[in-house]
Amino acid sequence: EIVMTQSPATLSVSPGERATLSCRASQSVSSNLAWYQQKPGQAPRLLIYGASTRATGIPARFSGSGSGTEFTLTISSLQSEDFAVYYCQQYDNWPLYTFGQGTKLEIK
Amino acid sequence: QVHLVESGGGVVQPGRSLRLSCAASGFTFSNYAIHWVRQAPGKGLEWVAVISFDGRNKYYADSVKGRFTISRDNSKNTLYLQMNSVRAEDTAVYYCARVLVVIAIRDAFDIWGQGTMVTVSS
Repeated sequence: EIVMTQSPATLSVSPGERATLSCRASQSVSSNLAWYQQKPGQAPRLLIYGASTRATGIPARFSGSGSGTEFTLTISSLQSEDFAVYYCQQYDNWPLYTFGQGTKLEIK
Repeated sequence: QVHLVESGGGVVQPGRSLRLSCAASGFTFSNYAIHWVRQAPGKGLEWVAVISFDGRNKYYADSVKGRFTISRDNSKNTLYLQMNSVRAEDTAVYYCARVLVVIAIRDAFDIWGQGTMVTVSS
């Protein structure tokens, strides 16, 4: 099983600033990596797939990068609606899809 | 509008059974693999199972293998999760989620239902 490790567990950032979230895979997942956003009481929402492709309707301030074992989600200028929990997920080693433990992005 | 709507959750005693449903609308259900993903209270996301678009291929997480069964009825646009011999650790919100690309089984999950809560308790 591929283990996905996200860092930091909690990130405190002020509105308008940049946020950088990291995700590391225990072995290469190529570019088969997705990022999801989840707000309290809601289902996850797909942000990024293929490590760097924004899903339909996702604002350009969200960007993904990386391949192999190291990945980054960057939110260029935080809006109030961006404060949430973010999960990475690998779908390379299917069907044993695995998620990271999540990074909580909170208002500083 | 593309929608997935889960139902069937509730309180169930340890060792008993429960069947969850996921009703799809707004897209050609029979073209997509569908997953179940769960989230224990206050915890992260855990993949549970997937079924291919035609129902011929099914895969499970080790934590549920042998106890849970995923199935689908493409004539009814509905996905199911039969949960047998449930345990306290199965307590979670259960989501169904659609794969991004038609026919593919290996891809990100682009459409999620709102979830249904399952509580295993005596």
